[in-house]
Amino acid sequence: SAVISQKPSRDICQRGTSLTIQCQVDSQVTMMFWYRQQPGQSLTLIATANQGSEATYESGFVIDKFPISRPNLTFSTLTVSNMSPEDSSIYLCSVEDPGDEQFFGPGTRLTVL
Amino acid sequence: SQKIEQNSEALNIQEGKTATLTCNYTNYSPAYLQWYRQDPGRGPVFLLLIRENEKEKRKERLKVTFDTTLKQSLFHITASQPADSATYLCALPPSGGYNKLIFGAGTRLAVHP
Repeated sequence: SAVISQKPSRDICQRGTSLTIQCQVDSQVTMMFWYRQQPGQSLTLIATANQGSEATYESGFVIDKFPISRPNLTFSTLTVSNMSPEDSSIYLCSVEDPGDEQFFGPGTRLTVL
Repeated sequence: SQKIEQNSEALNIQEGKTATLTCNYTNYSPAYLQWYRQDPGRGPVFLLLIRENEKEKRKERLKVTFDTTLKQSLFHITASQPADSATYLCALPPSGGYNKLIFGAGTRLAVHP
């Protein structure tokens, strides 16, 4: 199983600023996923990030608001841009193994004031 | 539209009993279904995957069933322990959308000594 780390683990940010979240995997993976979990809610997929191509965004999420980088097979970043209090959530990255299971990072807890 | 439903109310059971959680889905036919455990402040942890051609799968004290006619999965924890207290999420790939998952809202399980 993959081991995933995320940085930062938590942050408190001011409205209008941006935060970049890093996701590091201990093995090479083709696809990485970014999810958002709003307080008391389940996980919502933001986008799928493949190395060497643009991320694929789910309905309701756009690249200008959530730009994603995937420079290699073990690393990805998600930026939350021009933040508002509604962006306060836990952001999680995950990877899929060949058996279709997903492994999640510990999450980044973001609070926007 | 595709929908995944899990009991929103918490399930409270006595230690040693069997906990049974339900996941119902509508308007699609997933190739597989997964169950995850999530503890507060942590990312989900994969538990079991069951494919559409499997009726039942077991792992230690866990058992999952998958009824594609009823469009329902049942997740059982036998001989439950207080350490099993957590939120349990079911997840399925969307129609035509392999390699990504849609999550149910989760059911919180509390096992009392």
